[in-house]
Amino acid sequence: NAGVTQTPKFQVLKTGQSMTLQCAQDMNHEYMSWYRQDPGMGLRLIHYSVGAGITDQGEVPNGYNVSRSTTEDFPLRLLSAAPSQTSVYFCASSYRTVFSYEQYFGPGTRLTVT
Amino acid sequence: SQQGEEDPQALSIQEGENATMNCSYKTSINNLQWYRQNSGRGLVHLILIRSNEREKHSGRLRVTLDTSKKSSSLLITASRAADTASYFCATGEGTSYGKLTFGQGTILTVHP
Repeated sequence: NAGVTQTPKFQVLKTGQSMTLQCAQDMNHEYMSWYRQDPGMGLRLIHYSVGAGITDQGEVPNGYNVSRSTTEDFPLRLLSAAPSQTSVYFCASSYRTVFSYEQYFGPGTRLTVT
Repeated sequence: SQQGEEDPQALSIQEGENATMNCSYKTSINNLQWYRQNSGRGLVHLILIRSNEREKHSGRLRVTLDTSKKSSSLLITASRAADTASYFCATGEGTSYGKLTFGQGTILTVHP
């Protein structure tokens, strides 16, 4: 199994540009999520999905869109990039149950917005 | 908002010593997890403890949970230079269906 994969690894955007961060998992996990990690801030949840066709907002959703058309893929779209979105973005997946299970993380995408 | 607050923010020890990190949280939980992050990498799951458990072991790791104090601790025994990393606690709340809330992390440095 490849686990959780993310592309690209690095990206530089200009303010106002849009882009999509890709995330895929091959473990048949129902639950997928996107986090951003800023220095000294830990991980903050952006959006999550408990299954195909179902998404919900996390703690910091503004400026980001998601969709979940398949179990495997959970792309994160930046609509109009801003310098405040400079961060490292992690995608994660896990089984969906009432009790949380361990989450598997991708290697991250380091995004710089100038 | 961050659920977990970790203490200390940074810890520096010598190889062979034990490292203890603490995590406090605010709301009721159904489980608490610890993750490790090596510099520039994704997070890796270490151990999960459920709300009805008080202590759990995995190799050199020992986790305790005190739900009355809303706190947990992670003990790494006989630390190695390879244990140098950031450590995060994460909590699952109620019917969270996988959703976790992470603390800000403890940076552990183990000197050879």
